[in-house]
Amino acid sequence: DAGVIQSPRHEVTEMGQEVTLRCKPISGHDYLFWYRQTMMRGLELLIYFNNNVPIDDSGMPEDRFSAKMPNASFSTLKIQPSEPRDSAVYFCASGTGQPNTEAFFGQGTRLTVV
Amino acid sequence: GDSVTQMEGPVTLSEEAFLTINCTYTATGYPSLFWYVQYPGEGLQLLLKATKADDKGSNKGFEATYRKETTSFHLEKGSVQVSDSAVYFCALANSGYALNFGKGTSLLVTP
Repeated sequence: DAGVIQSPRHEVTEMGQEVTLRCKPISGHDYLFWYRQTMMRGLELLIYFNNNVPIDDSGMPEDRFSAKMPNASFSTLKIQPSEPRDSAVYFCASGTGQPNTEAFFGQGTRLTVV
Repeated sequence: GDSVTQMEGPVTLSEEAFLTINCTYTATGYPSLFWYVQYPGEGLQLLLKATKADDKGSNKGFEATYRKETTSFHLEKGSVQVSDSAVYFCALANSGYALNFGKGTSLLVTP
């Protein structure tokens, strides 16, 4: 298995532009998570899905952030409009349907908003 | 709510030194506990885990024991190598599916 695949690995965009981050989870995993990593706040859970349905989006910082999972093999995290304070590394992770088990992470997308 | 507290870094050690990275947690019930490692420019990789009290997780020479009485899950390694230089995250999962992470501890091992 190729693991969780994220694209792009790096994204530089100008303030005000729309940014879309993509994720392909591990095949057969029912759960998909989006995390954000910054020096100040560490790893924050933004949203997670079960069987393509959003379960908890309480970590999404603002309405500028949205996430979708149209099918079991693809998810997007969109920021519109982007701001410099959105600069961070965004990780996607996937997991099985067992509670209290580990998640498997992608390599992340480093977003820089200038 | 649930939380994880890790010792502040960075931790700098010489090769072959003994490593301890402290982790304590706050949670109701019976969480599972994890250590993840992040190498520069990479995502997080599971290093080891423990799912109940007194369990010891181990991998690649690293160990951690789930201590419910002290709510701790300290990471140890008897002899670190330069290749162990990375950021280490303690995490818990409690009656759910999302992991709750500590802030991470950076480790630098020098030759």
